[in-house]
Amino acid sequence: SQTIHQWPATLVQPVGSPLSLECTVEGTSNPNLYWYRQAAGRGLQLLFYSVGIGQISSEVPQNLSASRPQDRQFILSSKKLLLSDSGFYLCAWSAGPPYEQYFGPGTRLTVT
Amino acid sequence: AQKVTQAQTEISVVEKEDVTLDCVYETRDTTYYLFWYKQPPSGELVFLIRRNSFDEQNEISGRYSWNFQKSTSSFNFTITASQVVDSAVYFCALSAYNNNDMRFGAGTRLTVKP
Repeated sequence: SQTIHQWPATLVQPVGSPLSLECTVEGTSNPNLYWYRQAAGRGLQLLFYSVGIGQISSEVPQNLSASRPQDRQFILSSKKLLLSDSGFYLCAWSAGPPYEQYFGPGTRLTVT
Repeated sequence: AQKVTQAQTEISVVEKEDVTLDCVYETRDTTYYLFWYKQPPSGELVFLIRRNSFDEQNEISGRYSWNFQKSTSSFNFTITASQVVDSAVYFCALSAYNNNDMRFGAGTRLTVKP
């Protein structure tokens, strides 16, 4: 069966510091991968998605970036965090649209 | 443009009551897919159901049922005989065929009291 991992689970970072969140998927090959952000009490906002190694599509312009160095690894990064980057970050995988997406446990990021 | 509206921000019921969560969507696509997800307090989204735009049959899975009506652009979710473990935020989502951009509603927080 497929599993998706995210780490760290929680993170507190000062404004201006760098960020690296990692997501890995097991049990499937060539998945589509997604990064979402969920602000407190809000819905999910798609940030990036990837259909293959090195292929990244950005949905929202911001100071975040994503990379996919391996088939089942998806990384979310920032060079300098802003207060507005605080939120709950969720990684997801799917077999591709129109199939459902399966989500990881999330990373709760607080920028102070 | 695609849009999903969940007008009910919060719902509170007492255990064993039935509850319906509303979802209204907007899309210009003729082929699209609708989804429901559950987000318990732990935070991880759990997939519940996927429905395509050509299948309007109602779906029942245990205490859960879904009513899809294209005429009113709605995909409502009913929990029968609610339980405390049903307490969560529920999201409705919409995706056009072959489109990676899945649009989520703002979610409905359901609290089931014992």
